Amino acid sequence: AQSVTQLGSHVSVSEGALVLLRCNYSSSVPPYLFWYVQYPNQGLQLLLKYTSAATLVKGINGFEAEFKKSETSFHLTKPSAHMSDAAEYFCAVSPRGWGKLQFGAGTQVVVTP
Amino acid sequence: GAGVSQSPSNKVTEKGKDVELRCDPISGHTALYWYRQRLGQGLEFLIYFQGNSAPDKSGLPSDRFSAERTGGSVSTLTIQRTQQEDSAVYLCASSPGGQQNTEAFFGQGTRLTVV
Repeated sequence: AQSVTQLGSHVSVSEGALVLLRCNYSSSVPPYLFWYVQYPNQGLQLLLKYTSAATLVKGINGFEAEFKKSETSFHLTKPSAHMSDAAEYFCAVSPRGWGKLQFGAGTQVVVTP
Repeated sequence: GAGVSQSPSNKVTEKGKDVELRCDPISGHTALYWYRQRLGQGLEFLIYFQGNSAPDKSGLPSDRFSAERTGGSVSTLTIQRTQQEDSAVYLCASSPGGQQNTEAFFGQGTRLTVV
């Protein structure tokens, strides 16, 4: 069985500061991993995904995430926060091939001037 | 269509009434999911369809909830005898499934309000 845990339900960052959102997964074999973003009153949008051997994955809007098998982690980072990054971020895991996508509880990001 | 389409976008219903929510997945996608998102909450898994396999219904909160997927395409989520706690946004997603199960594409959701 797979699961994903996001540490911190709310994160507040200053504009221009580093954004770091933590995600740890549990899986018997390396899974596929995803980060989704949900802007207010909108649906979910894929930020980036890990599905191959490249452990550092770059996504949209300057976000990137690094897959670390030894730490079973897939943390999301952005070097410099922008006001438009205020949103809810979800980490998700699925098996390679057949199997359902499972989401973490989400992290609400607030960006302060 | 180009994306996952859900209808209606908004639904207000009286407590005790039945409602049907529709999801049109991306053409060719074999996997389809329903999630519920209460105000200020995360995504709550409801049900997962994968091809012709028996659906994973482990997330349905009660026997008032049911879903079907006809012809491997359109899906309908039915909530019988709605309660106020059913008020939420219901999100549908589809993905290619199988060895190409690389990401899920979400619809904009149906906002259900039970009064």
